[in-house]
Amino acid sequence: NAGVTQTPKFRILKIGQSMTLQCTQDMNHNYMYWYRQDPGMGLKLIYYSVGAGITDKGEVPNGYNVSRSTTEDFPLRLELAAPSQTSVYFCASSYSVLGGSNQPQHFGDGTRLSIL
Amino acid sequence: AQTVTQSQPEMSVQEAETVTLSCTYDTSESNYYLFWYKQPPSRQMILVIRQEAYKQQNATENRFSVNFQKAAKSFSLKISDSQLGDTAMYFCAFMKHNTGNQFYFGTGTSLTVIP
Repeated sequence: NAGVTQTPKFRILKIGQSMTLQCTQDMNHNYMYWYRQDPGMGLKLIYYSVGAGITDKGEVPNGYNVSRSTTEDFPLRLELAAPSQTSVYFCASSYSVLGGSNQPQHFGDGTRLSIL
Repeated sequence: AQTVTQSQPEMSVQEAETVTLSCTYDTSESNYYLFWYKQPPSRQMILVIRQEAYKQQNATENRFSVNFQKAAKSFSLKISDSQLGDTAMYFCAFMKHNTGNQFYFGTGTSLTVIP
């Protein structure tokens, strides 16, 4: 199983540019998440989705947009890149019910994004 | 809002010794989960251990165990027989059990195991 796949792994943007971070999962999870991790900090939730067509804001949504047209894909869009958005971005997915599964959320490997 | 506090930015331990990482949280929820995640330099997020708030018994996973004090809202991680591979950032995380199952992470503790 591929699990949660994020692309690209690294990207450098100029201020004002836009880009989309891709995330796809092959585990048929209902829930998907986007986090950002600033240097020396924990992960903060940007947006999440509980199913196709449904998205909601997390702790730090400003400057980002998401969509969820399919169960598998949850892209994150930066419209006008700013230096404050320099961070490592993680996508994650999970089942809606936290059962005996050892993994409450499955994480991708992250995308390191620098905005100069 | 939920907050998770890790008051030890950095810690070190001698190989084979025991170390305890601290975590406190603030919530008004009664149904929630707590986790410890390990993040090595590879950036992977690796689940170390989980604790359901309704369970009084402290969780254990091999060399890893927790001290869960619900009334004090404390959730510390004990690593026994520390190994060089335990060197990593450790994050405490809180998840309230609701639609979305959002996670709230602490700022992390950087643990170095010294040979």
